[in-house]
Amino acid sequence: TQLLEQSPQFLSIQEGENLTVYCNSSSVFSSLQWYRQEPGEGPVLLVTVVTGGEVKKLKRLTFQFGDARKDSSLHITAAQPGDTGLYLCASLSSGTYKYIFGTGTRLKVLA
Amino acid sequence: EPEVTQTPSHQVTQMGQEVILRCVPISNHLYFYWYRQILGQKVEFLVSFYNNEISEKSEIFDDQFSVERPDGSNFTLKIRSTKLEDSAMYFCASNRGTISRRETQYFGPGTRLLVL
Repeated sequence: TQLLEQSPQFLSIQEGENLTVYCNSSSVFSSLQWYRQEPGEGPVLLVTVVTGGEVKKLKRLTFQFGDARKDSSLHITAAQPGDTGLYLCASLSSGTYKYIFGTGTRLKVLA
Repeated sequence: EPEVTQTPSHQVTQMGQEVILRCVPISNHLYFYWYRQILGQKVEFLVSFYNNEISEKSEIFDDQFSVERPDGSNFTLKIRSTKLEDSAMYFCASNRGTISRRETQYFGPGTRLLVL
């Protein structure tokens, strides 16, 4: 069974700082999604990466997919309080449409 | 923009009671899912549903759980005899079901179930 490990588990930073969170697997991803989830709400898709080495930018968020497609990172530049939330990576389990979610990184950005 | 909707947003029930959680997936989607998230834990897959039958289920999805698509729009999750450990946020999701690796699942806002 594919497992997705995210690090760090918790992160508390000051507004304006940069941060990177990671998602790793022992298996190759077919594709990888990053979601943000706010308390009491469902996960909201941020990005999908498919190709090894792919880099995608979404405003201050930069997503990178590892060359071997076994890891991914999310970098936030100049974090703002509105970035506070739970960041989840997820991948389709091989040969299925079932999503496997990572353990999550809970980010708190202090004003 | 089309979205997945879920009702109710919150449900409180007594242990042993039956609950039905309802979802309306996006209208042209063909695959439907239920996930759950126990407070402070990760999102866990429960079941996927395609062409009016279960296509995959996890070990969590035991005989107490069932899913149904009673009409062309609703997708329901029934828990026959709730247990305390069923307390969680339950998310419905849907996707079109293409073979593309860029396939995106869209999640509903969730139903928070509390079993007392």
